[in-house]
Amino acid sequence: AQSVSQHNHHVILSEAASLELGCNYSYGGTVNLFWYVQYPGQHLQLLLKYFSGDPLVKGIKGFEAEFIKSKFSFNLRKPSVQWSDTAEYFCAVISGAGSYQLTFGKGTKLSVIP
Amino acid sequence: DGGITQSPKYLFRKEGQNVTLSCEQNLNHDAMYWYRQDPGQGLRLIYYSQIVNDFQKGDIAEGYSVSREKKESFPLTVTSAQKNPTAFYLCASSTHTGREQPQHFGDGTRLSIL
Repeated sequence: AQSVSQHNHHVILSEAASLELGCNYSYGGTVNLFWYVQYPGQHLQLLLKYFSGDPLVKGIKGFEAEFIKSKFSFNLRKPSVQWSDTAEYFCAVISGAGSYQLTFGKGTKLSVIP
Repeated sequence: DGGITQSPKYLFRKEGQNVTLSCEQNLNHDAMYWYRQDPGQGLRLIYYSQIVNDFQKGDIAEGYSVSREKKESFPLTVTSAQKNPTAFYLCASSTHTGREQPQHFGDGTRLSIL
């Protein structure tokens, strides 16, 4: 069965610091990869997704993620975080031929200090 | 505005009682999903439905039941058989269960068993 690992439970950064959140998945076949974000008091929303093609994916609000197949990774990055980026971030994977089921990581809580 | 409505936002029930969580969408999506979110656990799939009158068990279906009598509605019943029902429940939908269709999420229902 697919599993998704997010390395950090809680990350605390100052504004303007660079961000990288790790995500590794276990399945070695065809995968579709997602990052979702949950801002305080809001519903979960899609940040970016990878299906095929360019492994560097750009999402909303200046976020990007790089799919590295050899490392089974899909790390999320942002060059300069803002206080408004304070949220919980979830990596999710669909894997296996014919599957549509999303498997989520446990989430990383990001706190940005002004 | 199109979206997913979950009600109520907070729900309290006595131990041993069944309780039903509502999920309605006006996005004209075919597929609907129920997830359970526990602190530090990410999201886990309870049930999903691809079309009306059809649904499938997810990873943690025991103690839950669903129905899909209408396209826009996918209620979840938490039965007394669910050993640890206190959690945050999220409903989602997508245009269909294809791999490339991102899921849209509701605001969630927080269930507490007294």
